[in-house]
Amino acid sequence: GAGVSQSPSNKVTEKGKDVELRCDPISGHTALYWYRQSLGQGLEFLIYFQGNSAPDKSGLPSDRFSAERTGGSVSTLTIQRTQQEDSAVYLCASSQPPFDAEETQYFGPGTRLLVL
Amino acid sequence: AQSVTQPDIHITVSEGASLELRCNYSYGATPYLFWYVQSPGQGLQLLLKYFSGDTLVQGIKGFEAEFKRSQSSFNLRKPSVHWSDAAEYFCAVGPFNDYKLSFGAGTTVTVRA
Repeated sequence: GAGVSQSPSNKVTEKGKDVELRCDPISGHTALYWYRQSLGQGLEFLIYFQGNSAPDKSGLPSDRFSAERTGGSVSTLTIQRTQQEDSAVYLCASSQPPFDAEETQYFGPGTRLLVL
Repeated sequence: AQSVTQPDIHITVSEGASLELRCNYSYGATPYLFWYVQSPGQGLQLLLKYFSGDTLVQGIKGFEAEFKRSQSSFNLRKPSVHWSDAAEYFCAVGPFNDYKLSFGAGTTVTVRA
């Protein structure tokens, strides 16, 4: 079946603008994750959604970052008033329950964000 | 908190030669360990994972990894590299019963003819 999809694949924006990144998980996967991959760095956990439970936002770096997941499926990561240090690849992943590390996370191709 | 170190930023290997990528982790209990591969423009693909049992784990594409508790390591190996193995490789650790994975900074593998 289809994998995790993300859009746009690339985004160039000006400092101070807002951006929205979209993730469409694998059908039937109720867990959804956002990660950030900065140049030369490993993946940094941002946020986790599981079904209708309150999301785990502990990884969000500032209040300029927010995410929502509508209808338990598609998720949008929003970055307000973008800064140059926000430039990175934003990766989305999804997995089956029961949501612990034993379940394989399937990753999308990522959105490459460049803030000028 | 857990952390992962991949000491080698970049490795160049000849096609047909063996490959070993190092991964060291820091975690207070038995971790879940993963290796992912990322080809240019692609998402991360799981190569293999270790949860318990046999410390030598077989994965896809001819890769294997060995968990060594005494060395806090989970090194990835392949006996004979193919040009298509050129990619970036990430080691990750996850605590028991949790979903937050910590990733290393990655090792880029270049394969020369």
